[in-house]
Formats: sequence, structure tokens, C-alpha cells
Amino acid sequence: AQRVTQPEKLLSVFKGAPVELKCNYSYSGSPELFWYVQYSRQRLQLLLRHISRESIKGFTADLNKGETSFHLKKPFAQEEDSAMYYCALALSSARQLTFGSGTQLTVLP
Amino acid sequence: ETGVTQTPRHLVMGMTNKKSLKCEQHLGHNAMYWYKQSAKKPLELMFVYNFKEQTENNSVPSRFSPECPNSSHLFLHLHTLQPEDSALYLCASSQVAGELFFGEGSRLTVL
Repeated sequence: AQRVTQPEKLLSVFKGAPVELKCNYSYSGSPELFWYVQYSRQRLQLLLRHISRESIKGFTADLNKGETSFHLKKPFAQEEDSAMYYCALALSSARQLTFGSGTQLTVLP
Repeated sequence: ETGVTQTPRHLVMGMTNKKSLKCEQHLGHNAMYWYKQSAKKPLELMFVYNFKEQTENNSVPSRFSPECPNSSHLFLHLHTLQPEDSALYLCASSQVAGELFFGEGSRLTVL
């Protein structure tokens, strides 16, 4: 069965510092990976997906099949990036999305 | 109103009560989902409906009963729940696999 692991429950960085939120997955096929974000008092929303290869709000994530990782990165963190971040995996063309346990990012002034 | 709307936002019920959670989406999506979010646990997928047909049921106890009368509405009927069922229940919809639009959730407390 597929599994998503986010090893850090809490992560704090200073404003302007680089940030990396780790995500590892286990799945033998070709997964689709996503990052979702939940800002304070807002609903959970999609941040980015690996196949689009976009940069959203300065965040990027690269799928590394060799390391089965999909880490989320931003070179210069901003205070408004403080939120809960969830990594998620979908089997190709399937409706089921498996979420990691989430990482609470706090960007300090 | 656009997006995914869930009612009620908060619900307190006894173990012998029967209640329902409602979800409505105005996005024209063809799939709808129920997720359970408990403290210190990942989001757990409960049910998936695709074009009104249930396609996933992740070993959810029968005290939770979903209903999808049309592609815009999804219900979760609750009966004889246990205190450990207290959680935030999230509804979501999607048109593209993996790209979910979530509601704000219904916070359920079972006494």
C-alpha cells in the first residue's frame, strides 16, 4: 500500500532563510505527488503538483524517484508562508489521495 | 455561493443520536469525497463518489453511511457513534484526479 511520510511535525525558520519541507513516499508504481497547504483559519488548498512543474508563491518541489522524495523548497521564506503543509500521493488516474501527517511551518520575523 | 460548503460547521451529539453532515459543491466537479481529520493523525479518506457512484470505501464502520443523490451534494449520515469518532470531517470535490477542493469542515463531538 502507498504511504507518505513527513518526518518533521514542526519546522521554524527565520524570514529570508531557505526552507525545505521533507516528504518521502513508498509506492512501487508511478505516483502523482502534490503539496497542499492550510493557512490559519482557512481551508485546505492545493499548492502545487509535480507534473505541472510550476513555482507557486515561490515554492518548488521536485520528484526524485530514486530517493522516493518530493521535498518542498523555497529560497527565501516569508512570514505569510507560516502554515500547515501536507504532502499527498495519488495513484495515477485514481481518485484516492493519501496524505502525510503534515508539517507546521513557522516563519519567524 | 461558490466552492465547497459544509453544514453544520459544529455538531455535538450523543452516542444514540442520528444526525447528518451535508456537503454541497458549486464547481461542477464530478467526484466528491469525505475525509476524517483527527488530532495527531493524517487525513483519512473515508468515501469517494465518482459521478454519483461510490468508488471507495476505506473500511469505514457502518455507523457512517454516505449518500450522494447527485454530483453536487454529498451527505454523511451518522448513527450510534462512539466518542473516538469525534473529529473534523472534511468534504472535498474534484474534476481532475488529485486536485481536491476542500470545504471548511464539520467539527463533530460525540459525548
